[in-house]
Amino acid sequence: QQPVQSPQAVILREGEDAVINCSSSKALYSVHWYRQKHGEAPVFLMILLKGGEQKGHEKISASFNEKKQQSSLYLTASQLSYSGTYFCGTAGGAGNQFYFGTGTSLTVIP
Amino acid sequence: KAGVTQTPRYLIKTRGQQVTLSCSPISGHRSVSWYQQTPGQGLQFLFEYFSETQRNKGNFPGRFSGRQFSNSRSEMNVSTLELGDSALYLCASSLGLRDRSYEQYFGPGTRLTVT
Repeated sequence: QQPVQSPQAVILREGEDAVINCSSSKALYSVHWYRQKHGEAPVFLMILLKGGEQKGHEKISASFNEKKQQSSLYLTASQLSYSGTYFCGTAGGAGNQFYFGTGTSLTVIP
Repeated sequence: KAGVTQTPRYLIKTRGQQVTLSCSPISGHRSVSWYQQTPGQGLQFLFEYFSETQRNKGNFPGRFSGRQFSNSRSEMNVSTLELGDSALYLCASSLGLRDRSYEQYFGPGTRLTVT
């Protein structure tokens, strides 16, 4: 039931764009995105709710395709500070158990 | 506003022993969730407590248990420790709304090493 993320790892140069995908085998009610830097705790980025709109955070945005049970995170004009591991988190319904995805390691180099 | 605090930050235990980890959520947050993070398995959900009641439980053996107090502080206990229990244990607090429209705030974690 753990969502699957792709790619597992990606290396970018500053200014390049990236897309991280999150796919679930179960119907999704909400999708969360978090970023974890090495040695630190995960930090919340955004939430997308079923039937809700796409929400953005500075140069990071996300989409939620309920029918395909997928979400994608878009990082545009990447900065060095974007480096870290990105996790999607999903819940199959109100009050349902929360699952984190397999994680995507993103490294931005100068 | 103070963040989520976890104690202790580091712990070394021997196989067969038991351990108790503590988590103090952000003031006003009624939900505390616990996660186990390992390099191979990623972030695995252990359980969630809301207003002193366990609301959800992950697929972990009964050796893993938890509780929440009236002030929303939570403890997690692992009995009969095994080598495979070595991991970073994270707790996260949130408002706990059932529509999952809330974000989770993570503590720094407790690094448990079982020898």
